[in-house]
Amino acid sequence: EVQLVESGGGLVQPGGSLRLSCAASGFTFSTYSMNWVRQAPGKGLEWVSYISSSSSTIYYADSVKGRFTISRDNAENSLYLQMNSLRAEDTAVYYCARDEGMDVWGKGTTVTVSS
Amino acid sequence: QLVLTQSPSASASLGASVKLTCTLSSGHSNYAIAWHQQQPEKGPRYLMKLNSDGIHSKGDEIPDRFSGSSSGAERYLTISSLQSEDEADYYCQTWGTGIRVFGGGTKLTVL
Repeated sequence: EVQLVESGGGLVQPGGSLRLSCAASGFTFSTYSMNWVRQAPGKGLEWVSYISSSSSTIYYADSVKGRFTISRDNAENSLYLQMNSLRAEDTAVYYCARDEGMDVWGKGTTVTVSS
Repeated sequence: QLVLTQSPSASASLGASVKLTCTLSSGHSNYAIAWHQQQPEKGPRYLMKLNSDGIHSKGDEIPDRFSGSSSGAERYLTISSLQSEDEADYYCQTWGTGIRVFGGGTKLTVL
């Protein structure tokens, strides 16, 4: 079964850091680009970051550029999002999604930034 | 600037059909898009990918009631024989060099 499972969310104070993980299974992870997408409470979907299959191309939304870092480990079938200098407005459910068309989604992990 | 525009809401009766629209910004009318469904309290689910000339690929186990079409800068999602579980938010999404974009979403109410 093709599956993505996010983990690593939690409660963190403003200015803090968190590292999210996304474990992939059921497909050849190393051949697909990946994305992180978030959804703030009561809001729509917001793309956060993209990484190509070989990690050679990386993009960030302006809202997270300079604070978040996307990476992947193809040997471990895993995707990561290192989030630094967190702000209240980063509070959201974070999803990983496969490929440009986001044809496979995880169930999400919740990040709450609050003092 | 690559932008997707969706109506905030739509409604239709149980058993009827509804057509949702996603409009690509000027200069981007040839872009492919994807449609995603998000039922209440659930994560998004991929429905299909649409090129400028029609459906490119559909998600696994997506019922035949869900279909897509294109005309110029407009991308459509048609749901026929509406069921109660179709009440959800529907997002279109596209991609370009350096960017991925979501529309604001359409909240579909099944009456």
